[in-house]
Amino acid sequence: EVQLVESGGGFVQSGRSLKISCVASGFNIDDSGMHWVRQAPGKGLEWVSGFNWKSGRTGYVDSVKGRFTISRDNAKNSLFLQMNSLRPEDTAFYYCVEDIEGVFVAWGQGTLVTVST
Amino acid sequence: QLVLTQSPSASASLGASVRLTCTLKVEYTKFAVAWHQQQPEKGPRYLMKVNSDGSHIRGDGVPDRFSGSASGTERYLTISSLQSEDEADYYCQTWGTGIRVFGGGTKLTVL
Repeated sequence: EVQLVESGGGFVQSGRSLKISCVASGFNIDDSGMHWVRQAPGKGLEWVSGFNWKSGRTGYVDSVKGRFTISRDNAKNSLFLQMNSLRPEDTAFYYCVEDIEGVFVAWGQGTLVTVST
Repeated sequence: QLVLTQSPSASASLGASVRLTCTLKVEYTKFAVAWHQQQPEKGPRYLMKVNSDGSHIRGDGVPDRFSGSASGTERYLTISSLQSEDEADYYCQTWGTGIRVFGGGTKLTVL
């Protein structure tokens, strides 16, 4: 059974950094694309960043380029998101997602990141 | 620009059927989409992929009350025999080189 478990969320001041993690089980992350999707309170889903499953290339939404860095540790079957220069508008639940040929086929339960002014 | 458009809300009665729509721009008419369900206070769940020809592939454990279809730039999610637990937000999602895109979501109310 595929499982994605996020951790590392919390309360952080504006301008500071936070790193969130996702541990996958039931599949090997280097066989799939892996992404982060966020959802601000009361809002819709927004793709943040991800690894393309074939090329391993990364992509970012414009609003986080230069501030966020996605990485992975295949040996630990884990995905990470380093978030620097955090802003109040980055406040959201962050979900780890497995991507197969563009389709988001499995979701984690999310970790909440709250950025104060 | 890769954009998906969804109506903000929909409603239907218990036991009835409802069809939700996700619209692509005309230049993306061949694109497939995926549908995801988010019940209140829960994380999203993958439902199915819908191809431009209307064929669809459900995720594991998704009941066959959920089906997909397509016409031109529109991709549909139809839910039949509506149950109370189907009351949720439904998002369509598509992909391009280096990006992933969501529609704004449709909030489904089961009356």
